[in-house]
Amino acid sequence: AQSVTQLDSQVPVFEEAPVELRCNYSSSVSVYLFWYVQYPNQGLQLLLKYLSGSTLVKGINGFEAEFNKSQTSFHLRKPSVHISDTAEYFCAVKPRAAGNKLTFGGGTRVLVKP
Amino acid sequence: EAQVTQNPRYLITVTGKKLTVTCSQNMNHEYMSWYRQDPGLGLRQIYYSMNVEVTDKGDVPEGYKVSRKEKRNFPLILESPSPNQTSLYFCASSSVGTQGNEQYFGPGTRLTVT
Repeated sequence: AQSVTQLDSQVPVFEEAPVELRCNYSSSVSVYLFWYVQYPNQGLQLLLKYLSGSTLVKGINGFEAEFNKSQTSFHLRKPSVHISDTAEYFCAVKPRAAGNKLTFGGGTRVLVKP
Repeated sequence: EAQVTQNPRYLITVTGKKLTVTCSQNMNHEYMSWYRQDPGLGLRQIYYSMNVEVTDKGDVPEGYKVSRKEKRNFPLILESPSPNQTSLYFCASSSVGTQGNEQYFGPGTRLTVT
């Protein structure tokens, strides 16, 4: 079984400041890792994913994430946020071996202030 | 346009009155899934389907039913809704067999049971 912990439920940040959203996971098997974003009143869309190779992954809208196998973490970062980045962000994992089931963290709500 | 659609988007109902939330995808995906989203808990899987006539329970299946008679449709049925099923529901779909394949989400259905 897998579990995902997002360490911050809410992150207030000023416009143009950097932001980091923390994600730790636990799994007995090897997993793929994902970050999804949910803008107000919308469904989830994929920001980025880690499958293999370079541990630094770049996604859409200037976001990037770093996979750390020893710390079982997959933290999301953006060097300079915009008002439009106000949203809820979800970290998720999926077993590599088989199946399509995503296990999600509890979400981090980012509020960008002017 | 590739998309997952859900109807209705908003629904207020009373305890015990059967309801169905429809989900349809136009990407010829084999895999479809229902999630519920509750504050602080992220998304939890209710049921999923690997293909037509193949469905299985997720993590929180109690009080729900599904069917998969056609590849594109995956309705969620609440035979006797209760207030603890008040939540935001998402349908998702993806292809199978491709490593790390992305799940595509519908816009969500906000259900209130009084």
